[in-house]
Amino acid sequence: SQQGEEDPQALSIQEGENATMNCSYKTSINNLQWYRQNSGRGLVHLILIRSNEREKHSGRLRVTLDTSKKSSSLLITASRAADTASYFCATEGTGRRALTFGSGTRLQVQP
Amino acid sequence: GAGVSQTPSNKVTEKGKYVELRCDPISGHTALYWYRQSLGQGPEFLIYFQGTGAADDSGLPNDRFFAVRPEGSVSTLKIQRTERGDSAVYLCASSRDPGAGNTIYFGEGSWLTVV
Repeated sequence: SQQGEEDPQALSIQEGENATMNCSYKTSINNLQWYRQNSGRGLVHLILIRSNEREKHSGRLRVTLDTSKKSSSLLITASRAADTASYFCATEGTGRRALTFGSGTRLQVQP
Repeated sequence: GAGVSQTPSNKVTEKGKYVELRCDPISGHTALYWYRQSLGQGPEFLIYFQGTGAADDSGLPNDRFFAVRPEGSVSTLKIQRTERGDSAVYLCASSRDPGAGNTIYFGEGSWLTVV
């Protein structure tokens, strides 16, 4: 079973615009991670935010975490066509080491 | 190697056959994970190894699925009596140790098609 839901399921924007993806989850977590996947193959780790953190930045990525609402958001600023991919949030629960993934957001950035 | 290596990258097999999928984790990584991903879905956890032992196999869907990691490095996922519903990408991942917050690195996956 999957931990959470990503919203929206699909997002299409123009190059240069910002893209925001949201993730909700259900159980207590140690951390939440965002991954990127091209063409249904390997996942690439983007950023990790711990349960005691509220915001984290990495390059053009900004992640927020609200543990009271059990939600997170991923913001990609100044998007590029190369950002086109599926983005997944994944949680490491307090009782389990393995990550539990959401269903993903498919981002299309139009050049 | 530099990353997690999975073989084969693609496998087509007939319903009822036996299949083995291999994963070679990043050198020195003690934790190894298997996930399964169907089209349009997120990865679904199958099993997690810490060293040679399966620390959590709660995601294995039934007893046709089995995984081993005899020397704490390479792992093999074994599927008996394959069914068409087993068609998916099987992803392997590894991390340095199971401590909370360690980055998990994924391989490119093995795409299994059961016809």
